[in-house]
Amino acid sequence: DAMVIQNPRYQVTQFGKPVTLSCSQTLNHNVMYWYQQKSSQAPKLLFHYYDKDFNNEADTPDNFQSRRPNTSFCFLDIRSPGLGDAAMYLCATSVRKVALNEKLFFGSGTQLSVL
Amino acid sequence: TQLLEQSPQFLSIQEGENLTVYCNSSSVFSSLQWYRQEPGEGPVLLVTVVTGGEVKKLKRLTFQFGDARKDSSLHITAAQPGDTGLYLCAGPLSASKIIFGSGTRLSIRP
Repeated sequence: DAMVIQNPRYQVTQFGKPVTLSCSQTLNHNVMYWYQQKSSQAPKLLFHYYDKDFNNEADTPDNFQSRRPNTSFCFLDIRSPGLGDAAMYLCATSVRKVALNEKLFFGSGTQLSVL
Repeated sequence: TQLLEQSPQFLSIQEGENLTVYCNSSSVFSSLQWYRQEPGEGPVLLVTVVTGGEVKKLKRLTFQFGDARKDSSLHITAAQPGDTGLYLCAGPLSASKIIFGSGTRLSIRP
């Protein structure tokens, strides 16, 4: 009973070719996050939605965009992937804001390769 | 600047041994969480500690939050191969942002 589902599990794209990663949740959680995790590093927050309110991290490159058309779905668009964007992209959800000791529910991630 | 430093970065031990991994910060956190991440999967929450000095146990895993709420430790008793994974500590930096530590990659040899 997967609760946070990411598709695809593996994505290969070419340098400069736009790519979209998708995330869906069956938990009806208000908050959805996108994290980037490079090999052997900590997950790094790119942005999050609190309901429809979009919050971009200051150091997230302009190359990365996100859409949340409804509560269940969230997309990560990389407009012109570079070699440095190869990473695991993790989608997560929480009921409320994390300062309230909320648990993050993660998907299995999409491993992005850029050729 | 890494706000949450974890040590050691890598640890490989024999099945049955005990181990402790650490999560340290110069900042005070209202709470800290520990996640375990297996290869090719997302992190899964193990525990949240919220009170300075708090100790929580999860089977063979014991988690402690420092008195000053700047650090935490995870102790595993009689490690098993199923404990293998990346252990991440995490804490809230703001109302909506959790930051993760650099992680400890644990390998248990049968």
